[in-house]
Amino acid sequence: EVQLVQSGPEVKKPGESLKISCKSSGYSFTSYWIGWVRQMPGKGLEWMGIIYPGDSDTRYSPSFQGQVTISADKSITTAYVQWSSLKVSDTAMYYCVRSSGSRGRSDYWGQGTRVTVSS
Amino acid sequence: AIQMTQSPSSLSASVGDRVTITCRASQGIRNDLGWFQQKPGKAPKFLIYAATTLQSGVPSRFSGSGSGTDFTLTISSLQPEDFATYYCLQDNNYPWTFGQGTKVEIK
Repeated sequence: EVQLVQSGPEVKKPGESLKISCKSSGYSFTSYWIGWVRQMPGKGLEWMGIIYPGDSDTRYSPSFQGQVTISADKSITTAYVQWSSLKVSDTAMYYCVRSSGSRGRSDYWGQGTRVTVSS
Repeated sequence: AIQMTQSPSSLSASVGDRVTITCRASQGIRNDLGWFQQKPGKAPKFLIYAATTLQSGVPSRFSGSGSGTDFTLTISSLQPEDFATYYCLQDNNYPWTFGQGTKVEIK
């Protein structure tokens, strides 16, 4: 059974760093892309970026380039997104999603990680 | 970046109604389009890929059509569990982009 299990909720202060995770199981981790999606409170879905764990090819949305870093560790089938200096505006739910990389086939989603940034 | 214009942004419908949601791409994306359903407080659920192919386990009242720039998600007979927000996603070109969402509410 394919599963993507994300790390738990986080409460941070502006300027702090953060790394959240997405643990994959039930399929070949290096054969699919893992994407990250932001959903700010009461808003729609925003595509942040994606990584192919097989060769670490990583693509970012211009809106998130330089703001976050996406990575993956093949040895533990886990993908990450990290911030070096959080802003209040980073408060959101973050989802990871497995994708085949084409034809709109983003099929399995993590349960989401809620990040709250407040002073 | 390719813009995905989804319409309407919301609609009210009754159980049993036929509902149609559209997504228009700012440039041709072949059939590199998926549809997703999201209920409040839940992760999105994958419904359709390649614009027209129903994901396994998704009820047959859902269907997708279109290619190139214009795409449609149709619910043939709306059920109580279908009241949710629906999104399209193009993955033809980076950055991938979602439509703004369509909230389907009870009339």
